[in-house]
Amino acid sequence: KAGVTQTPRYLIKTRGQQVTLSCSPISGHRSVSWYQQTPGQGLQFLFEYFSETQRNKGNFPGRFSGRQFSNSRSEMNVSTLELGDSALYLCASSLVEVQETQYFGPGTRLLVL
Amino acid sequence: QKEVEQDPGPLSVPEGAIVSLNCTYSNSAFQYFMWYRQYSRKGPELLMYTYSSGNKEDGRFTAQVDKSSKYISLFIRDSQPSDSATYLCARGAQKLVFGQGTRLTINP
Repeated sequence: KAGVTQTPRYLIKTRGQQVTLSCSPISGHRSVSWYQQTPGQGLQFLFEYFSETQRNKGNFPGRFSGRQFSNSRSEMNVSTLELGDSALYLCASSLVEVQETQYFGPGTRLLVL
Repeated sequence: QKEVEQDPGPLSVPEGAIVSLNCTYSNSAFQYFMWYRQYSRKGPELLMYTYSSGNKEDGRFTAQVDKSSKYISLFIRDSQPSDSATYLCARGAQKLVFGQGTRLTINP
């Protein structure tokens, strides 16, 4: 079974721009979560989607948003990029029945200049 | 105080040694605890998860949860250079809360 896939793998943007990242979960997994990983703050939860609805949200500003499609694929968007948004953005998927065990993709490394 | 605390290391041990990685957590309401392994420039890989207290063993890896002291441990027996990675503990629920990660190096 294929793992979680994320595109693109690397991205360079400038301040003020916006970016959209994509995630395809493991087949059969309907819950998709997004995390931000930085050297200073570690891994932090952004939001979680299930059945095209955001069920949980972390403590990030409204510039960070996401959505989920009917096939469980998910996208996250960051608008008005800031230098501090440079990070590894990770997507994780899980079975609805076992949401505690999440499987991560390789991440998208975003650099904001 | 962070909800999950983990010593960032780095930790360096010789090949074949037993490695002990530890975390503490503050919220006793949660029942699921996980260990992830992350190689450089890769996403975290789920190693083990445990429910409530007790031990769980998988090959050379043993995960232990002590709810009375709010302590989570991962033991690696017969450590190998391929075990060199960052190890992250997390408490479960729909949104995982991670420790800072411990960078481990196994020296041949």
